[in-house]
Amino acid sequence: GENVEQHPSTLSVQEGDSAVIKCTYSDSASNYFPWYKQELGKGPQLIIDIRSNVGEKKDQRIAVTLNKTAKHFSLHITETQPEDSAVYFCAASKRSGGYQKVTFGTGTKLQVIP
Amino acid sequence: GAVVSQHPSWVICKSGTSVKIECRSLDFQATTMFWYRQFPKQSLMLMATSNEGSKATYEQGVEKDKFLINHASLTLSTLTVTSAHPEDSSFYICSARNLITHMEETQYFGPGTRLLVL
Repeated sequence: GENVEQHPSTLSVQEGDSAVIKCTYSDSASNYFPWYKQELGKGPQLIIDIRSNVGEKKDQRIAVTLNKTAKHFSLHITETQPEDSAVYFCAASKRSGGYQKVTFGTGTKLQVIP
Repeated sequence: GAVVSQHPSWVICKSGTSVKIECRSLDFQATTMFWYRQFPKQSLMLMATSNEGSKATYEQGVEKDKFLINHASLTLSTLTVTSAHPEDSSFYICSARNLITHMEETQYFGPGTRLLVL
């Protein structure tokens, strides 16, 4: 099955600096890569996603890159703000048994220091 | 939109009792919903895929008789934890797909239900 690794597990940055979270996946059949932000005690919130036919996608301060050959993808947050502090999960998704099955990474706890 | 709600948000129960958790898609119809479990400081693990009008598909290692899933309508799926034990204490999260306005890959998550079994 799919295996998604995520690094780092914790990340502290000063407000205004950039934060980068990296993930690798194992199954070349995965074709959809969402990123979720989870605040304490809440469900995950989709913040950005990328499909396998695209190499990069940007939405304001958030960008995601995908390297299909190397099977890795990254989340970039620029000009970080304290409200960006949360746990971020990457995920890889592929069609399996009639559904898009999602495998999550292990999470990165981001702390933005004011 | 793609809003998913869960009820209750938290529940405490005695060991041996059953607990029902509801997952609703508020502004769209969801033929498929997903149930996840998340232990503290860990990632989300898929438990089962809930299909409207048919039996749920369970992941390997998840007991179908213990975690009963019913997807009776296009906006409601329920997860019942039967004869709950302390080791079932966890954060249960559902998700749903809005096939009309979004690509089928995108899942939208509910706020989660925290279960504590004493």
